[in-house]
Amino acid sequence: DTGVSQDPRHKITKRGQNVTFRCDPISEHNRLYWYRQTLGQGPEFLTYFQNEAQLEKSRLLSDRFSAERPKGSFSTLEIQRTEQGDSAMYLCASCETGKVRGELFFGEGSRLTVL
Amino acid sequence: TQLLEQSPQFLSIQEGENLTVYCNSSSVFSSLQWYRQEPGEGPVLLVTVVTGGEVKKLKRLTFQFGDARKDSSLHITAAQPGDTGLYLCAGAWNTGNQFYFGTGTSLTVIP
Repeated sequence: DTGVSQDPRHKITKRGQNVTFRCDPISEHNRLYWYRQTLGQGPEFLTYFQNEAQLEKSRLLSDRFSAERPKGSFSTLEIQRTEQGDSAMYLCASCETGKVRGELFFGEGSRLTVL
Repeated sequence: TQLLEQSPQFLSIQEGENLTVYCNSSSVFSSLQWYRQEPGEGPVLLVTVVTGGEVKKLKRLTFQFGDARKDSSLHITAAQPGDTGLYLCAGAWNTGNQFYFGTGTSLTVIP
């Protein structure tokens, strides 16, 4: 297993465009998380899935943000009508359920720059 | 809005010095984790604590979970340049393993 992978690693877009990020978790992990991180700050929780079910989405930053995990494997995070304030690193993490001391395994992130 | 506040936000020390990083919240957590993140990479887990008052040691790093499970500390003895990075605490509640991260402490150890 190669760990959590995210694509693209870097995305530069113009304000108003839509962007989509993909995350492929570790194969046996049924929980998948999305976070946003700005430079020098801690990751900010956005949403998470257990299998294909989105269990928490109230922390998504606005209705321009949406996430899916249609088959319980990979996930996508879409940002519509991007704004300059959306510029950040978007991190994906996965973990196994049922473990009290569960560990989040992170990808290397997708860095978004909105011009 | 982040539920866990870390202090200090920035720390620059000389190699060989000791340091403590604090993670505080008004919420009670079922577990608390510490991660370290290097530039361009995702955070990597250092330790998980689940019991109030729990102390765990990882080589030169000592982690403590507060008795009330609202706060935690990370102590590094004899810091080395390889300890440089962003240290993050993350708390989870019983209801579903939603991990919320702290504000982060950026540590620089100068050789």
